Amino acid sequence: GAGVSQSPSNKVTEKGKDVELRCDPISGHTALYWYRQRLGQGLEFLIYFQGNSAPDKSGLPSDRFSAERTGESVSTLTIQRTQQEDSAVYLCASSLLGNGNSPLHFGNGTRLTVT
Amino acid sequence: EDQVTQSPEALRLQEGESSSLNCSYTVSGLRGLFWYRQDPGKGPEFLFTLYSAGEEKEKERLKATLTKKESFLHITAPKPEDSATYLCAVQAGFQKLVFGTGTRLLVSP
Repeated sequence: GAGVSQSPSNKVTEKGKDVELRCDPISGHTALYWYRQRLGQGLEFLIYFQGNSAPDKSGLPSDRFSAERTGESVSTLTIQRTQQEDSAVYLCASSLLGNGNSPLHFGNGTRLTVT
Repeated sequence: EDQVTQSPEALRLQEGESSSLNCSYTVSGLRGLFWYRQDPGKGPEFLFTLYSAGEEKEKERLKATLTKKESFLHITAPKPEDSATYLCAVQAGFQKLVFGTGTRLLVSP
């Protein structure tokens, strides 16, 4: 079956530009997560959507970062005025329940390079 | 605050040389402990979920075990294709999944 799809797979942008990253979760999954992975480092939590509840935004590193999710479908992560330190792989994941009883299924990420 | 610590950071094995990876955790109200495998350029791939102390799960050459403070991923007679980064994560209820920094495993033929 279809997994989590992320687009674009690669994005090169100039410092100061805005970027929008897209995530299509697995159909029927109520929970959606965004993580960031810098080169050679672990996964850094950014934001978590669970059904119609208010999202957990506690991992967003600055107000330049925002994310939206339409119902239980597509999510977009927007980074405004990109900086070089934003260069990383941005990973999206979805899970059926989001309560620890169902695993996260990850996409292959968007590799963002800010020049 | 929930924390996950994995060791060693890197591990090099000869093909057929069994070993174990460690994941120590602190979390309030553990609902699930997850093991993932990540290959270069790919997203993490789900391996196991463990829910309670004493639980064990197996898949091919991998076996995951769980105690109240840590989890082990045992690799029996590894092959070169088992080379990857292995990630451990914990989740407490409807909360974010907290990951360790992973163990990079290299299995040489």
